[in-house]
Amino acid sequence: DAGVIQSPRHEVTEMGQEVTLRCKPISGHNSLFWYRQTMMRGLELLIYFNNNVPIDDSGMPEDRFSAKMPNASFSTLKIQPSEPRDSAVYFCASSLGQHQPQHFGDGTRLSIL
Amino acid sequence: GENVEQHPSTLSVQEGDSAVIKCTYSDSASNYFPWYKQELGKGPQLIIDIRSNVGEKKDQRIAVTLNKTAKHFSLHITETQPEDSAVYFCAAHANFGNEKLTFGTGTRLTIIP
Repeated sequence: DAGVIQSPRHEVTEMGQEVTLRCKPISGHNSLFWYRQTMMRGLELLIYFNNNVPIDDSGMPEDRFSAKMPNASFSTLKIQPSEPRDSAVYFCASSLGQHQPQHFGDGTRLSIL
Repeated sequence: GENVEQHPSTLSVQEGDSAVIKCTYSDSASNYFPWYKQELGKGPQLIIDIRSNVGEKKDQRIAVTLNKTAKHFSLHITETQPEDSAVYFCAAHANFGNEKLTFGTGTRLTIIP
């Protein structure tokens, strides 16, 4: 079975540029999560969707971050404009629902110069 | 909100010996506790989980115990092997209706051949 697919795997860009991260959840999963992992803050939830609807976006750092889920098989996380402090590994995960295991993709390593 | 503390942050164990990682949580309403293993360059992978209606769960060399009264849970790995070397995260889920997981800060486990 295909797992959660994220693209790109690596992204290096200059500050001020727009960055778009992409995620394809596991087919049939109705919940999708975006996490950010850094040495300082660990693994933190940014936002999650259920049935394509954003449920909890309390972890989104600021207005520069936005996430969309236009359909059940695709989601994007956008940063505009990007800043060096946004450098981190961003993970997408999906699950069948509450109290069901969350399955993670292999992440996008983002470096903002 | 939920707070999860994880100890130790690093752990070195001789191959064949056992490893124990401990976590405490703050919200007595938490009722789902997964453990994840993260290898270098990969996303976290679920290795075992436990729900609050049981005190212990085993899967081959891995076991998790839960003490709801003390609000702590532990991961036990027996007969450790070099491929067990990774970073391990505990997590807790509290709010009914919200799928948010709160993660511990991780334990870097090194198995010494």
